[in-house]
Amino acid sequence: GENVEQHPSTLSVQEGDSAVIKCTYSDSASNYFPWYKQELGKRPQLIIDIRSNVGEKKDQRIAVTLNKTAKHFSLHITETQPEDSAVYFCAASINNDMRFGAGTRLTVKP
Amino acid sequence: GAVVSQHPSRVICKSGTSVKIECRSLDFQATTMFWYRQFPKQSLMLMATSNEGSKATYEQGVEKDKFLINHASLTLSTLTVTSAHPEDSSFYICSARGGLEGQGYGYTFGSGTRLTVV
Repeated sequence: GENVEQHPSTLSVQEGDSAVIKCTYSDSASNYFPWYKQELGKRPQLIIDIRSNVGEKKDQRIAVTLNKTAKHFSLHITETQPEDSAVYFCAASINNDMRFGAGTRLTVKP
Repeated sequence: GAVVSQHPSRVICKSGTSVKIECRSLDFQATTMFWYRQFPKQSLMLMATSNEGSKATYEQGVEKDKFLINHASLTLSTLTVTSAHPEDSSFYICSARGGLEGQGYGYTFGSGTRLTVV
């Protein structure tokens, strides 16, 4: 089955700096790659997603890049703010099967 | 947008009892429902996938007789933790597929259930 690895597990940045989280996946048939933000005790919230036929997608301060050949995708957050502090999960989906990365705890220091 | 209602949000039960968790899709038909478990500071681990009207498919290592899943209708799926033990204490969350593609490719999460077994 699909295996998703995510790095780093923790990331601390200064407010205004950029944050980058990277994920790799194992199954080349995976075709959908969402990123979720989860605050403590709450449901994951979709923040951005990308499909396998697209290499890059941007939504304001958030961007995702996908390298299908290398089977990795990354989340980029620019001009970070304290409210960006949360746990971020990447996921890879093939057919009906979505697998999550281990998560990255992002802390944005004011 | 697509909404999945999950209840209860928190439950405390005694060891040996059973607990039922419900997930309802409020404004769309959930053709597929996924159940995840999340231990503190860990990722979401897929437990099982269920399609309406058929038996759930369980992930390796998940006991189907302990975690009973029923997906009897297109808007309701239930997870029953039978004979719960303290090690079953966790955050359980459902995700339904069937919503609009523009909203997360049709994956919509419930709000989660914090189960504590004492």
